[in-house]
Amino acid sequence: QQQVKQSPQSLIVQKGGISIINCAYENTAFDYFPWYQQFPGKGPALLIAIRPDVSEKKEGRFTISFNKSAKQFSLHIMDSQPGDSATYFCAASISGTYKYIFGTGTRLKVLA
Amino acid sequence: GAGVSQSPSNKVTEKGKDVELRCDPISGHTALYWYRQSLGQGLEFLIYFQGNSAPDKSGLPSDRFSAERTGGSVSTLTIQRTQQEDSAVYLCASKSRGGETQYFGPGTRLLVL
Repeated sequence: QQQVKQSPQSLIVQKGGISIINCAYENTAFDYFPWYQQFPGKGPALLIAIRPDVSEKKEGRFTISFNKSAKQFSLHIMDSQPGDSATYFCAASISGTYKYIFGTGTRLKVLA
Repeated sequence: GAGVSQSPSNKVTEKGKDVELRCDPISGHTALYWYRQSLGQGLEFLIYFQGNSAPDKSGLPSDRFSAERTGGSVSTLTIQRTQQEDSAVYLCASKSRGGETQYFGPGTRLLVL
């Protein structure tokens, strides 16, 4: 029940296309859902996060869509660029606690 | 300001040797995490420190792994009698009290031959 399932494992997108990464969870107590971006040789860095009181959050080309009833959330990267090529992790946590459950990651490659 | 730093950035060791990995969190951050990232895998939680509270060691994979945090700041992860399956990237992250964002260091890439 503590798992966060992430798909796909890898993704190749043409420049200018839309990249979509999906995550699903079971524990309805989760109330904070961040996405982290990791470039090769670097640690993950927070990209964008959402709480279940909204269905969508947008920051520039990055959008999180949240479906509370389906217990799913997804990251959409619009107008994908080669510089977006990285590994993306979704995560879930319960506010006030310290445990973060991370997905297994999606390796995104954007072709020039 | 400075982010989370880790040292060494790379470590190659022989099977059976002990290694020490260091993490310097962001100044003022009371929470500190260690994770292990194996090739193509997600982030495996190892241990969590919060201030002076007892750490959560529930993620440590065996008694060969230990960690300490001195003075509420720097942390050291020690792996004794290293095995080839210990080869991975070890990531440290810190977080302010009440904050939700974990700030990760660049990791230490450990290779056990």
